[in-house]
Amino acid sequence: EVQLVESGGDLVLPGGSLRLSCAASGFSFNNHWMKWVRQAPGRGLEWVANIKQDGSERFYVDSVKGRFTISRDNTQNSLFLQMNSLRAEDTAVYYCARGPPGENDGDCNLWGRGTLVTVSS
Amino acid sequence: DIQMTQSPSSLSASVGDRVSITCRASQDITTWLAWYQQKPGKAPKSLIYRASTLQSGVPLRFSGSGFGTDFTLIISSLQPEDFATYYCQQYQTYPLTFGGGTKVEI
Repeated sequence: EVQLVESGGDLVLPGGSLRLSCAASGFSFNNHWMKWVRQAPGRGLEWVANIKQDGSERFYVDSVKGRFTISRDNTQNSLFLQMNSLRAEDTAVYYCARGPPGENDGDCNLWGRGTLVTVSS
Repeated sequence: DIQMTQSPSSLSASVGDRVSITCRASQDITTWLAWYQQKPGKAPKSLIYRASTLQSGVPLRFSGSGFGTDFTLIISSLQPEDFATYYCQQYQTYPLTFGGGTKVEI
């Protein structure tokens, strides 16, 4: 079955750290751009970060630059998001999403179910 | 950053209605636009990419059109399972940005 399964969401104190994981199956993971997209409670969707197939290109929304790091392990078909210096405004459901194959990034054509990150004291 | 503005933010419709949702980009994105459907408590689902190309398995009652800055998602005959929130997203330029969403309800 083609799917993405996120894990690692938790309740964390402001200033704390968390590492999210996304396990991919059913498709050639190393052929695709991968992304993280988040959704704060009751709010819309916000793109967080992208990574190219070989990890050579990574892009971030300004609000997480210097705090979050996206990475991948193509041998394990896994995507990661290391989140440091967490703030209350980072509270959201974090979705792993698959981008297109090929040289250029594009839309999110497959989504995981999400994992909830809550930043609160 | 490219701002994506959807209208309306919500609409009421009945089964069988034709529904139209508009998405406007703050600058030219040619056809680098996608549409997503999200039901409460669920992950988004991809409907359309490149402004008008349906993802595999998406019913033909969904269609997308537009170029440049103005785009439209049309549901030709609303079905019970179509009541959801719809988002547009541009992928012309980083940061990738989404519209604020349109909630389609009864």
